[in-house]
Amino acid sequence: GAVVSQHPSRVICKSGTSVKIECRSLDFQATTMFWYRQFPKKSLMLMATSNEGSKATYEQGVEKDKFLINHASLTLSTLTVTSAHPEDSSFYICSARGPGQGLETQYFGPGTRLLVL
Amino acid sequence: GQNIDQPTEMTATEGAIVQINCTYQTSGFNGLFWYQQHAGEAPTFLSYNVLDGLEEKGRFSSFLSRSKGYSYLLLKELQMKDSASYLCAVMDSNYQLIWGAGTKLIIKP
Repeated sequence: GAVVSQHPSRVICKSGTSVKIECRSLDFQATTMFWYRQFPKKSLMLMATSNEGSKATYEQGVEKDKFLINHASLTLSTLTVTSAHPEDSSFYICSARGPGQGLETQYFGPGTRLLVL
Repeated sequence: GQNIDQPTEMTATEGAIVQINCTYQTSGFNGLFWYQQHAGEAPTFLSYNVLDGLEEKGRFSSFLSRSKGYSYLLLKELQMKDSASYLCAVMDSNYQLIWGAGTKLIIKP
């Protein structure tokens, strides 16, 4: 089946620094990638949708200057949390969908746990 | 607004059967998903229903009634490894997933 990886799986950083999270589709070309955030015991919250080669579409309330998303190739999307603060600590999950796959299809990465001190 | 409701927590006994319900109100409907999520991990796909009725897949079954805005996930022959959160998600008319908060299932020996 389709595999999506994320790196790093866990990151701890100081407040004010920037953190980059990578999401890769390993055995298919991901024309669309989704970035989610999940707080403990809460549901997944869609942050943004990115299509390869174009700007990401951010959900209402998500600061695009703080959460920079780049989908530069068909197998890689990155989420950069700029000037991270403790309230950005969360579980970040990406998912991907490829050409020819139904719109109901999303393959999830294993997630990245971010802790900002 | 869009809303997905499911119980916060359920407890069941190893070897038994448990049914997790999900009700939804969304703008449009393009299918309902059930995912399993173990603590600290990403969700893994369990089932997808777009037509009314019961879909059976091994120990897990999922039911959908579109007219009632209702679904359930049925887990049979429960095993300790089934302890996890179970997320109900509906794909709306824009093909966006609307997620429930998840039901934490605790299995006791």
